[in-house]
Amino acid sequence: DAGVTQSPTHLIKTRGQQVTLRCSPKSGHDTVSWYQQALGQGPQFIFQYYEEEERQRGNFPDRFSGHQFPNYSSELNVNALLLGDSALYLCASRPRSGTPETQYFGPGTRLLVL
Amino acid sequence: LAKTTQPISMDSYEGQEVNITCSHNNIATNDYITWYQQFPSQGPRFIIQGYKTKVTNEVASLFIPADRKSSTLSLPRVSLSDTAVYYCLVGIDRGSTLGRLYFGRGTQLTVWP
Repeated sequence: DAGVTQSPTHLIKTRGQQVTLRCSPKSGHDTVSWYQQALGQGPQFIFQYYEEEERQRGNFPDRFSGHQFPNYSSELNVNALLLGDSALYLCASRPRSGTPETQYFGPGTRLLVL
Repeated sequence: LAKTTQPISMDSYEGQEVNITCSHNNIATNDYITWYQQFPSQGPRFIIQGYKTKVTNEVASLFIPADRKSSTLSLPRVSLSDTAVYYCLVGIDRGSTLGRLYFGRGTQLTVWP
């Protein structure tokens, strides 16, 4: 049983560009969350998707947007990249019926903005 | 949401028991205490969760005193592969039942040979 998968593993972009990151949740999971983790910091919540809708959002600007597909996979889009967007982007999934505190994380996508 | 305080770093040697304490003075009645582990260049991994007293699984034990204002993650006989960042999380965003996790900076545990 594959866990949470993310692609690509690494990405280099320049300021002002746009990027799309992808996530496939663990089998049986329908809720997907995205987190940003800067170097030396804990993950920070970006937003959460369930039933193809954004259900909750953290303190991130509108440059960060997402989507969830009928197969529960998800995308994170970041427009007008800034140097400060360089971070590890993590996707986490869980079943809707599971305990909220128990989530399964993918390995992340390391984004470097030059 | 209960704010958590844990040491920024800890060092240990292989074979020793490691105890990481987390303070959460403002824990709410219905909050659970959850610990995650994160290896370099990987996502966090759930390791244990408890509400009160003691919880044990194949990875760790979690000790929670009666007042629940702190908790201690205990790792028995650590090995080099236990070198990781350990996060203590308390409570979730009650605005949504879907679960939004709040991570602090965690405790960097380094195990030496």
